[in-house]
Amino acid sequence: GESVGLHLPTLSVQEGDNSIINCAYSNSASDYFIWYKQESGKGPQFIIDIRSNMDKRQGQRVTVLLNKTVKHLSLQIAATQPGDSAVYFCAENSGATNKLIFGTGTLLAVQP
Amino acid sequence: DAGVIQSPRHEVTEMGQEVTLRCKPISGHNSLFWYRQTMMRGLELLIYFNNNVPIDDSGMPEDRFSAKMPNASFSTLKIQPSEPRDSAVYFCASSFLSGGETQYFGPGTRLLVL
Repeated sequence: GESVGLHLPTLSVQEGDNSIINCAYSNSASDYFIWYKQESGKGPQFIIDIRSNMDKRQGQRVTVLLNKTVKHLSLQIAATQPGDSAVYFCAENSGATNKLIFGTGTLLAVQP
Repeated sequence: DAGVIQSPRHEVTEMGQEVTLRCKPISGHNSLFWYRQTMMRGLELLIYFNNNVPIDDSGMPEDRFSAKMPNASFSTLKIQPSEPRDSAVYFCASSFLSGGETQYFGPGTRLLVL
């Protein structure tokens, strides 16, 4: 029979271009947000985080932007490389517990 | 510095058999999480522990699933009896105990139940 799975949004970019991956979160009380990268056959790997008292945070080649007004989070990757190809998840934490709520993920495909 | 360690990395078993997955969290972390990942349902939280005590097991699918954390450096997730629909990748993650802390994931156990 035909298998049905989650339909992952896919972002296809050329090597060297900048990538922007977006995430809408659900809980206006969430105060901590994380981006994870998951490569095929591996566990989710921490990339960058941001707390709700900030609207921007930069790492090495990555920037996370937080817009609390519209409950939107984005991950920007500069000069995207083939090694950046993976599924990217955003996660939110309300602070009331230490549970994380994960989004469904976005597949980033980098074309050489 | 060792990250979260999971064993086995791969498990193939027959329907009806007992399966035990193991996890060693990062030393010093006092929260531990078990997740299941499938194509159908994505990444699901099954259960988590704070200071070795189960806090929320609302994600555990049914009574066939059980988890224990006998000490701060070891946890097990057991499925008995296993069914084909349990086939998935099972991840363990750990973090410090406080709201708003990064969870660090292990490499996962890929389970196939025939």
